[in-house]
Amino acid sequence: RKEVEQDPGPFNVPEGATVAFNCTYSNSASQSFFWYRQDCRKEPKLLMSVYSSGNEDGRFTAQLNRASQYISLLIRDSKLSDSATYLCVGPVSGSYIPTFGRGTSLIVHP
Amino acid sequence: NAGVTQTPKFRILKIGQSMTLQCTQDMNHNYMYWYRQDPGMGLKLIYYSVGAGITDKGEVPNGYNVSRSTTEDFPLRLELAAPSQTSVYFCASSYDRTITFHNSPLHFGNGTRLTVT
Repeated sequence: RKEVEQDPGPFNVPEGATVAFNCTYSNSASQSFFWYRQDCRKEPKLLMSVYSSGNEDGRFTAQLNRASQYISLLIRDSKLSDSATYLCVGPVSGSYIPTFGRGTSLIVHP
Repeated sequence: NAGVTQTPKFRILKIGQSMTLQCTQDMNHNYMYWYRQDPGMGLKLIYYSVGAGITDKGEVPNGYNVSRSTTEDFPLRLELAAPSQTSVYFCASSYDRTITFHNSPLHFGNGTRLTVT
């Protein structure tokens, strides 16, 4: 089983919609993660960190469910500019080395 | 503050040629990483370093070598280029991760697009 797994999508939503996607992880000891955003194979850029009960930044909310071993990213009031690939990042089992999921593609259409 | 700088941005190699991808950071980060990303896939770790003089293999190290003689620089060497090494390569750095993972996000360079034909 991969350390961090994501549904590649794409998730195709209209502007203004609320969309959520999950990332499952295998390392039960993991307590914190990151969500990164990547545009068209440019470098990934940090969106937000996720630890403890969760994190909120404007239209974005990330939560960690340790019991079920997944993290989620919720985007409210989707904008066209939110179209991108969202990468989940967690630590490799037994280390602090970051490992990436394959990403979830989001397409927001007018 | 330049952050993480990678060179070159693009390169085309013939099979069997060698090259070095350069990566330098000016944030005094101890940890540095090389990832590759193939189309439609996530980033796969090639090598990483936790400080000057210390390197270790990641998930896909075959065909690559690295060195870390200074805190700032972490070059990636391809000795005998193969078509399977056609990819986008990202260098990244972070603070010491041993304290808390979420306090040490990765900072990425702009990437190097490499084609081997």
